Amino acid sequence: EIVLTQSPGTLSLSPGERATLSCRASQSVRSTFLAWYQQKPGQAPRLLIFGASNRATGIPDRFSGSGSGTDFTLTINRLEPEDFAVYYCQQYDRSVWTFGQGTKVEIK
Amino acid sequence: QVQLVQSGAEVKKPGASVKVSCKASDYTFTNYYLHWVRQAPGQGLEWMGWINPNSGDTVYAEKFKGRVTISRDTSITTAYIELSALSSDDTAVYTCARGRGYSYKFPIDYWGHGTLVAVSS
Repeated sequence: EIVLTQSPGTLSLSPGERATLSCRASQSVRSTFLAWYQQKPGQAPRLLIFGASNRATGIPDRFSGSGSGTDFTLTINRLEPEDFAVYYCQQYDRSVWTFGQGTKVEIK
Repeated sequence: QVQLVQSGAEVKKPGASVKVSCKASDYTFTNYYLHWVRQAPGQGLEWMGWINPNSGDTVYAEKFKGRVTISRDTSITTAYIELSALSSDDTAVYTCARGRGYSYKFPIDYWGHGTLVAVSS
């Protein structure tokens, strides 16, 4: 099973700042099969990024994903108030899926 | 609009089993994999397994093998997850979710509303 480790656990930032979230895999993940989700309290997760760098439908371009192999990054430029949430990376390269433990982006 | 409607909340005693249903509508049920993900209170997302609704093939997370069964009834476009030997650690919201395509190599695009399963003596 591929273990995904996200860092930091919590990111305290102000609106307008840039957020950089990391996801490290215990084994190489083909970038085609790495996704990022956003979850707000009481809501289902929402797909942000698939294939490591492709924005899902309706996702603003301030969200971007990058990386390959074992290191992936989600960047949120110019944080908006609605971006404060928990973010999860997830691999779907193998038949056994895994999620990272999440990074909470909170208002400083 | 794709809909995944789940059964209602359950309260179970330790050692019991629970079966949660997920009724899919407004898309071709057999064309998209269905996954089950759970989230314990205040915790992260935990993937449990998937089913290919067309073939009935399943894959489970190692942690749940032997204790979980995912099934489907194509005649009523419904998937199920059954978890046995419940303990308090299984208290969580269980959510079905649709993959974007016809294999497991697609991320999730639609989620059910979740079913709370509480395990308490």
